[in-house]
Amino acid sequence: GNSVTQMEGPVTLSEEAFLTINCTYTATGYPSLFWYVQYPGEGLQLLLKATKADDKGSNKGFEATYRKETTSFHLEKGSVQVSDSAVYFCALRTGGGNKLTFGTGTQLKVEL
Amino acid sequence: ETGVTQTPRHLVMGMTNKKSLKCEQHLGHNAMYWYKQSAKKPLELMFVYSLEERVENNSVPSRFSPECPNSSHLFLHLHTLQPEDSALYLCASSQTHDRVDTQYFGPGTRLTVL
Repeated sequence: GNSVTQMEGPVTLSEEAFLTINCTYTATGYPSLFWYVQYPGEGLQLLLKATKADDKGSNKGFEATYRKETTSFHLEKGSVQVSDSAVYFCALRTGGGNKLTFGTGTQLKVEL
Repeated sequence: ETGVTQTPRHLVMGMTNKKSLKCEQHLGHNAMYWYKQSAKKPLELMFVYSLEERVENNSVPSRFSPECPNSSHLFLHLHTLQPEDSALYLCASSQTHDRVDTQYFGPGTRLTVL
């Protein structure tokens, strides 16, 4: 079956530090890959996505590259801000189905 | 503003109560979803409706009963819940046309079962 593994949090960084949140997956076929973000007290918002190998998704300074050879989709940002503090979820979907498989989420805390 | 609204935002209920969660999407989508989010666990997909028909039910206990009267509204009827059902319940919608459809989430209902 499909599964997504994320690094455990919380991840605590100082403002302007470099961020990496690791995500690896197991899937049948060729999945589409997603990063969602959940700010405190809110639902999930799509942050970025990639649909095929070597695609790079990017948004709001975040980026992630679909690496088929390592089955990874690591999230990166060059300089984090306090406002980036949230929980980040990696997810995948295979085929034409509706089902998203999520990781457990990684909490990011950015301090001044 | 994501275009998906949920009410109520917070709900406290006893184990013998009956309540309903409501979700409304303003995006013209044709699929809607219920998810359960518990601490330190992956989001659990509960139900999927596509074109107002239930297409997935992930072994959810019968004390949770979904209803989708039209493509814009989705309900989750709750009865005789257990304390372990306390969680954040998220609704989402999408337009299912190909493998890259994006799910848009509401803010969730924080449910506490006493």
